[in-house]
Amino acid sequence: DAGITQSPRHKVTETGTPVTLRCHQTENHRYMYWYRQDPGHGLRLIHYSYGVKDTDKGEVSDGYSVSRSKTEDFLLTLESATSSQTSVYFCAISTLLQGLGTEAFFGQGTRLTVV
Amino acid sequence: AQSVTQLDSHVSVSEGTPVLLRCNYSSSYSPSLFWYVQHPNKGLQLLLKYTSAATLVKGINGFEAEFKKSETSFHLTKPSAHMSDAAEYFCVVRGAGNQFYFGTGTSLTVIP
Repeated sequence: DAGITQSPRHKVTETGTPVTLRCHQTENHRYMYWYRQDPGHGLRLIHYSYGVKDTDKGEVSDGYSVSRSKTEDFLLTLESATSSQTSVYFCAISTLLQGLGTEAFFGQGTRLTVV
Repeated sequence: AQSVTQLDSHVSVSEGTPVLLRCNYSSSYSPSLFWYVQHPNKGLQLLLKYTSAATLVKGINGFEAEFKKSETSFHLTKPSAHMSDAAEYFCVVRGAGNQFYFGTGTSLTVIP
């Protein structure tokens, strides 16, 4: 299994509070991603990173920010949590081999409930 | 832009019968395509991938998929379903910037 650790694995928070989810990898992969999974929507990309301090928005980035100060860590922050951000969040990593992208490897997910 | 459409949100088969999960893709260039499986309350596991080599791709647990450019399809098949195949399956295409775009998923039920 790819060395990806998400923390926390479960969290319940109140509306309006800030929340930070952490993704840690031991694979030294260049690319890191944050997805959310909701019934009927599959996985949707929130933000991704293509290197240290290099990040970009995905399709559902509103209300989220990210930071990547080290290759191994990718943080997802909900500045002010809302009930619509109740979801399961997955971190993924990928890299390039001989100039070609590999598949994505996924963490075990973080279940976030905003009450 | 790249996208995938999974044509069935739910498929039900009897144990021992063939499985067919359908996926169509849209891509402005030769795509890289993947199938992932997710068992209940678990993470995502790669079943197989197509990256412009052989059009018939074999994966784990007896699954395979055929890339058909003329039909823009990448359907997942298995000759004989097992109870342990019951799960959610996702078709995925790689897009620009090494991003991965997911279909909405197909839930597979296997009836004993």
